[in-house]
Formats: sequence, structure tokens, C-alpha cells
Amino acid sequence: DAGVTQSPTHLIKTRGQHVTLRCSPISGHKSVSWYQQVLGQGPQFIFQYYEKEERGRGNFPDRFSARQFPNYSSELNVNALLLGDSALYLCASSFLPSDTGELFFGEGSRLTVL
Amino acid sequence: QKEVEQDPGPLSVPEGAIVSLNCTYSNSAFQYFMWYRQYSRKGPELLMYTYSSGNKEDGRFTAQVDKSSKYISLFIRDSQPSDSATYLCAMNRGGATNKLIFGTGTLLAVQP
Repeated sequence: DAGVTQSPTHLIKTRGQHVTLRCSPISGHKSVSWYQQVLGQGPQFIFQYYEKEERGRGNFPDRFSARQFPNYSSELNVNALLLGDSALYLCASSFLPSDTGELFFGEGSRLTVL
Repeated sequence: QKEVEQDPGPLSVPEGAIVSLNCTYSNSAFQYFMWYRQYSRKGPELLMYTYSSGNKEDGRFTAQVDKSSKYISLFIRDSQPSDSATYLCAMNRGGATNKLIFGTGTLLAVQP
């Protein structure tokens, strides 16, 4: 079975631009979460979606937005990019929202902002 | 102060050694404690989770949680070169949310 797939795997943007990152969860998984991992740091929670509704939001500015589609895939959008947005963006899926951390992560989209 | 503190290492051990990885935390509301392994250029994968205080064993891996000290540990017995990775502790408050708070990760290298 395919795992969590993310696209694009790498991308380079300049300050002020916007970016859209995409995620396809494992088949049957209904919950998708997004994390930002800055080099040398642990992942930081951005959003969680379940059944197309936002279930949680981390401490990120309004420049960050996301949505989940009827097929449970998801998009993360970041507007007005800053140098500090350079990071690995991880998508994780689970069958249901979980307390036990049973998340399945994709390999991430590595964003570089110049 | 970060909610979760983890020594970034790097930690280098010979093959077969017992490895001890640790995290401390400040938020007493955390109920679920996890350890993830992240290989270079890959996403994290869940190794183990523990609810509240206690020990949990899975093969060569043992997780311990001491809520009174706000301290969690992961022990790896008979370490192998394939265990070389970054180990991330994570925790959450419960409430059916995927909002995990991660440590910075400890880079482990097991030398053959």
C-alpha cells in the first residue's frame, strides 16, 4: 500500500511569493496534519484536519492556511513567504484523530525561500 | 523555556551498546508520550507510545515515563548500525488531537 505522498519534494521560492504544498494520505485515513520542521529542530504542529474540518491550529500566522478535500487529500498554503519559512513541511495522516501519536508521516516537502 | 527539552547530541556508541535517550518537559497536562525515529531525508516514524507513567517494552526498545519528574526515556539494547538516526520525543495532552509537541531530536550514530 502507498504511504503518505507529498508534492513537490523540493522547491525554491523568493520572499513575498506564495506556495502550495499537497498531501495524499494513506488510503482510508481521514485525518491529516501538517508540521513544519526547521533544520535542527523537531517538527512543529501547524494544522490538523478531520473530515474536511479544521480540528486544530498551531501558533502560526494567518499567512498559513490549509484545507482538506472530499477525498481526504490536503493542501497547505503559505502566502507572503519569509526567509524563516524555509523548512521541511511534513504531512501526517491517521485513520482518526489520535492521542497516541500513531501518525504516518510523508517524506516532506523541502521549501527554500531566498 | 521550551515545553519539551531534548539533548541534540550527537551521540556516538559502538555496536551492541545500550543507548539511553532522554527528554524533560514542563507541562504537567501531557498524558501521552511517544518516541519517533527519523532517518535522514525521511519523515518521522512512530517507535512507541506510552500513556501516563510506566514502562513499555517492544523488542530491543524500552520506553519509560516518570510524570512526577517530568522525564521520559528511551533505551535501545544491543544497538545496531541500522539504529543510526535522529530520535524525537513527542507528547500531547490527549483530547483526540494530533497536536504533538516534539523535542529537538537526538542524533544517534552506532559505529560498527
